[in-house]
Amino acid sequence: DVKVTQSSRYLVKRTGEKVFLECVQDMDHENMFWYRQDPGLGLRLIYFSYDVKMKEKGDIPEGYSVSREKKERFSLILESASTNQTSMYLCASRAGGLFGELFFGEGSRLTVL
Amino acid sequence: AQKITQTQPGMFVQEKEAVTLDCTYDTSDPSYGLFWYKQPSSGEMIFLIYQGSYDQQNATEGRYSLNFQKARKSANLVISASQLGDSAMYFCAMRPPNAGNMLTFGGGTRLMVKP
Repeated sequence: DVKVTQSSRYLVKRTGEKVFLECVQDMDHENMFWYRQDPGLGLRLIYFSYDVKMKEKGDIPEGYSVSREKKERFSLILESASTNQTSMYLCASRAGGLFGELFFGEGSRLTVL
Repeated sequence: AQKITQTQPGMFVQEKEAVTLDCTYDTSDPSYGLFWYKQPSSGEMIFLIYQGSYDQQNATEGRYSLNFQKARKSANLVISASQLGDSAMYFCAMRPPNAGNMLTFGGGTRLMVKP
């Protein structure tokens, strides 16, 4: 089974802190994604990566950056956390091809005070 | 831009009954893929079912079926014989072919199964 692991289930940070959210997948997938989930808005794509060191902006990249130095690891970075970044963050991976399903991690709930 | 709409923020269904979760989409692309995911309280997103826009038959996976009406741009999820474990958030999503890896999600429907 595909396993997508997010390093932290719950984080509490202060405004202005730098935050790292880590995601690791064990199925050699080319594509990895970071989504943000908010009530009533569904999931919104922040960034995705289709290869090592490659990244593409999603729908809401502002305030975020990403890093993919190794194929299995995709990190989401909040350079200076703000209260409006309090949310659930979901990492996902997918094999190559056009219509393959996404495999998700269990999510990281971030609270910024 | 593609858009997914789930008009039911929450629904109740009696255990063992069938339930339909609505999903409509808006795209000008003739080729696209439609997905449904389940998110239980644990938070993990679980893939349920996939429908390709050119598929001739409606997709089915066990108790899940997708009522795909292309002309109406709707892809409703039907869950037969509801179980208590079906209580969760359900998300409809779409990936058009020219959007690379972008997957657009609807706002979700919270389904609650009553014993």
